[in-house]
Amino acid sequence: GQSLEQPSEVTAVEGAIVQINCTYQTSGFYGLSWYQQHDGGAPTFLSYNGLDGLEETGRFSSFLSRSDSYGYLLLQELQMKDSASYFCAVRVGGSYIPTFGRGTSLIVHP
Amino acid sequence: DGGITQSPKYLFRKEGQNVTLSCEQNLNHDAMYWYRQDPGQGLRLIYYSQIVNDFQKGDIAEGYSVSREKKESFPLTVTSAQKNPTAFYLCASSIGTGDDGTEAFFGQGTRLTVV
Repeated sequence: GQSLEQPSEVTAVEGAIVQINCTYQTSGFYGLSWYQQHDGGAPTFLSYNGLDGLEETGRFSSFLSRSDSYGYLLLQELQMKDSASYFCAVRVGGSYIPTFGRGTSLIVHP
Repeated sequence: DGGITQSPKYLFRKEGQNVTLSCEQNLNHDAMYWYRQDPGQGLRLIYYSQIVNDFQKGDIAEGYSVSREKKESFPLTVTSAQKNPTAFYLCASSIGTGDDGTEAFFGQGTRLTVV
């Protein structure tokens, strides 16, 4: 089976930088995705790392280290609207089915 | 605009009744999925389908059933056998192939409450 670990909650202030970590244990690992979900809403795709290294998309960046079975999502210049839950999800083997972690609730304070 | 539509947004069911949640997509995606989300929990996979007329059980399929008669539609039936059906249900789809196949697109969800 698969196992993903994320912190349950992270708090930060507006304008700051925050990092949300994700460690995984799975066989046949292909890549790591990140999704954002506001309360009561639909998860939306943020990024995918199939290779080691950093992927940058605007204020958000995502990192993967296959040797450490570890990845993180980095959010810069935090805004109040970034308050949401963030999920890492693994892609395993040839399947495109994302398997999700329990999510990290990010609370941004003024 | 292309997207995934789930209906209804809120659903109330009496114990012992079956209920069907609708999921329609016009993204021309081959793969579709149903997830269940409980408060403070991640998304758990119920069923998935990678092609029309074929579907597979996910991690928590007991008490649920699906069909995939059309590419656009993947309805989920919550049966009376599901012991704790109150939850937020999310439908998703993806291309299912190639480098772009990793992105899953989600509907707005159906919140089911058993009364």
